[in-house]
Amino acid sequence: QLQLQESGPGLVKPSETLSLTCTVSGGSISSSSYYWGWIRQPPGKGLEWIGSIYYSGSTYYNPSLKSRVTISVDTSKNQFSLKLSSVTAADTAVYYCAKTQGAFDIWGQGTMVTVSS
Amino acid sequence: EIVMTQSPATLSVSPGERATLSCRASQSVSSNLAWYQQKPGQAPRLLIYGASTRATGIPARFSGSGSGTEFTLTISSLQSEDFAVYYCQQYNNWPLWTFGQGTKVEIK
Repeated sequence: QLQLQESGPGLVKPSETLSLTCTVSGGSISSSSYYWGWIRQPPGKGLEWIGSIYYSGSTYYNPSLKSRVTISVDTSKNQFSLKLSSVTAADTAVYYCAKTQGAFDIWGQGTMVTVSS
Repeated sequence: EIVMTQSPATLSVSPGERATLSCRASQSVSSNLAWYQQKPGQAPRLLIYGASTRATGIPARFSGSGSGTEFTLTISSLQSEDFAVYYCQQYNNWPLWTFGQGTKVEIK
């Protein structure tokens, strides 16, 4: 059974870069039908799609975050990663990774990232 | 960008009653629409995809309908475990995805 697990620092300083990794288990990240995505949720607010990646490395980003986001994949480790630069308090959120073929059908449990000095 | 608008923001329903949630797209998304349920402290769970197809393991009391720009999620008889926040999401503009702002279903 496919499972996703986010990992990374829970606290990031303003102006620095947030870095998270999603580890995929129970299946291959190189499956040809799937995209892999990052979604975030600020405290008490709704869901915001950040970006997605195909196993080949093709990336797609939310236009509102595009200038600060980089998503990459490491097929040898069955992982994909998120980097969000120049963070501010507005980037404080629970960050989820998820698998998608359109709808996001499998999600990680999420990881809380707080931006604070 | 396709904007998804959900209504109402909060729906107060008694257990056993029917709940009807709406989602509107700013332009046609065909049937490329999904619904999610999220409980406090948990990741969202996929309920419906393709506007009307229940995901694996989702009870039959959840049903989705609509196409184009107007969509509905119906919970036929609310159970205690159904009180949660529900989100719609379009994927017609794949690989650019957008979510609605959510509808909270609370106990009346």
